[in-house]
Formats: sequence, C-alpha cells, structure tokens
Amino acid sequence: DADVTQTPRNRITKTGKRIMLECSQTKGHDRMYWYRQDPGLGLRLIYYSFDVKDINKGEISDGYSVSRQAQAKFSLSLESAIPNQTALYFCATSENGGRDTQYFGPGTRLTVL
Amino acid sequence: QQQVKQSPQSLIVQKGGIPIINCAYENTAFDYFPWYQQFPGKGPALLIAIRPDVSEKKEGRFTISFNKSAKQFSLHIMDSQPGDSATYFCAASRGSGNTGKLIFGQGTTLQVKP
Repeated sequence: DADVTQTPRNRITKTGKRIMLECSQTKGHDRMYWYRQDPGLGLRLIYYSFDVKDINKGEISDGYSVSRQAQAKFSLSLESAIPNQTALYFCATSENGGRDTQYFGPGTRLTVL
Repeated sequence: QQQVKQSPQSLIVQKGGIPIINCAYENTAFDYFPWYQQFPGKGPALLIAIRPDVSEKKEGRFTISFNKSAKQFSLHIMDSQPGDSATYFCAASRGSGNTGKLIFGQGTTLQVKP
C-alpha cells in the first residue's frame, strides 16, 4: 500500500552534490525515521523524529541532516554527497514508540559517483 | 558496535525445509524483539514479534524461539515455500523506554528452492 511514499525511488548523483530524499505518510503517525540499508550491515538508524519539533540523531547521522516540515513529511538531506553514502534509504513511521510496528516506505536507491 | 548479531548471512533450503535464523543481543534492557521480512524492491514489513516473558510464539508457519538467559532468539519457518524467499531482519528495542528505536541485525537472505 502507499501509506508511506518516498521520492525519488532511484537517484544517481556526483560527489559533492547536495541531495534531498523526501518521505510522506498518510498514516497519521507522529513518529518518523530514516534508515540506511547496506549489504551485510542491515538497517541503521540515521535520524528519528517524535513530532515536528523533536528531531534526534541516530547511530550514523554524520553527513546527513533532516527536516520535519509537517507531521506527514520528513526529508533527509546529504549536504555534500560522497561515494560511501551509496546505499538504499528507507523512511518509516510508527504511531508511538516502544513496541509499535514500524511501517516502511519502498526505499530510495542512491548512487554517488 | 553491533548490538544485535544475526546469522547466517544467507541461507538456501528446499521447499518444505525448516530454515532457522539466529540472533544474539547484548543489551539486557531490550524487551521487544520483532522480525521484519523484506521482499526485493520493497521496504521491510513486520512479520512477528516476541516479548521476553514467553519462550516461544507462533504465527502460522513462523515461530520465534526466545532464550532470555542466553540472550538469543531465532526464527523458524515451517514447511518453507518459494514465496518465503526474502531477506529477514531481527531487531530489538527497549519497548518500555518508548523511544521506538529499533536496533536491527545484519539481515539474512533466504532462498527457498522449488
């Protein structure tokens, strides 16, 4: 289903370029997350937001920034992309924390040349 | 530091076999252990989850076994089917802490051959 959408789905960019990945959700959830997936490393949390005014760093936030424009929108920016940021990026939402299910978007495949 | 270690990285079984994926965690404060299933080109989706107050949970053909003293938990897929071919991630979080932060394992790519 399209409750969590991500744009673009694929992006190729060059080293040093600024790039923004966007996430929108229609689930009405307060909590939103950005993850990065790399082979052999699983999913690693970049940033998470409990609401529009509450944004927190995850385990690998260096080189990334985020913006929570509204309850439904959470954007991830790479200020100056580098090749080791080539990865699959996922946005997720949950109603609350703790044991609530996280609902993932379809992902953005980013390649930095 | 990887707080949740998952093995094996990949697994191939024949249809009807019982693949087993194992995870080990370090933080004894973790009290919620979900498994997520990811098909190619899709985002992960919750498959099944367990809390440490029980040793086993079944949902259809999927079973989680939990060993609190060993800090290990595993996913068993009974009568596996080609449609179960996917990547599986274990995860852990402090549910009672209400932060919602999930710590994921490295993932296991499962192929079920017809």
